[in-house]
Amino acid sequence: GAVVSQHPSWVICKSGTSVKIECRSLDFQATTMFWYRQFPKQSLMLMATSNEGSKATYEQGVEKDKFLINHASLTLSTLTVTSAHPEDSSFYICSARAPGTSGGASGTQYFGPGTRLLVL
Amino acid sequence: KQEVTQIPAALSVPEGENLVLNCSFTDSAIYNLQWFRQDPGKGLTSLLLIQSSQREQTSGRLNASLDKSSGRSTLYIAASQPGDSATYLCAVLHTGGFKTIFGAGTRLFVKA
Repeated sequence: GAVVSQHPSWVICKSGTSVKIECRSLDFQATTMFWYRQFPKQSLMLMATSNEGSKATYEQGVEKDKFLINHASLTLSTLTVTSAHPEDSSFYICSARAPGTSGGASGTQYFGPGTRLLVL
Repeated sequence: KQEVTQIPAALSVPEGENLVLNCSFTDSAIYNLQWFRQDPGKGLTSLLLIQSSQREQTSGRLNASLDKSSGRSTLYIAASQPGDSATYLCAVLHTGGFKTIFGAGTRLFVKA
């Protein structure tokens, strides 16, 4: 099946620094990528939808200036957590949607392995 | 607003049992429904994808059904094994905004 990679897999940083997480679709082009956040023992919370070449669409309550998303190409999206604080510590998972059989938006969604962020 | 509910929240069964995980969603306007597996501290592995026009999908010991009109899906696991222990997540691709909405998951533990 299709593969989505994330880098780094884990990161520890000091409060106030910025952290960039990369998400790549390795064997397909993804016009749409998604960023999720998951707290321990909770489900995934959609943060934003990223479309190649356009601004990301953020979910209600997600600070766009805090979580900068760039979808530079059909295979790469980045999430930058700016001025990270301990409350930003979480498991961040990206996802890329493969084109549906009819070219629409109903294709399978593939998930990256996640990035665990710990802000001290 | 689409909401996805999974029951039970946790389940412990002895090895070899057949089991059913339940997922319900409030809005039938979906493109598809997907079942995922998540191991502790890991990302998601897609298990089965059912398009809105389909009734079920099968892969090995797994069978997922979809009843869109009633807003329900079940994941059937046959002859469970300790390696099946994980959290199982149900997610629907909602037609409103093409967003995937996740349930809270069912934590499964299969005892050897």
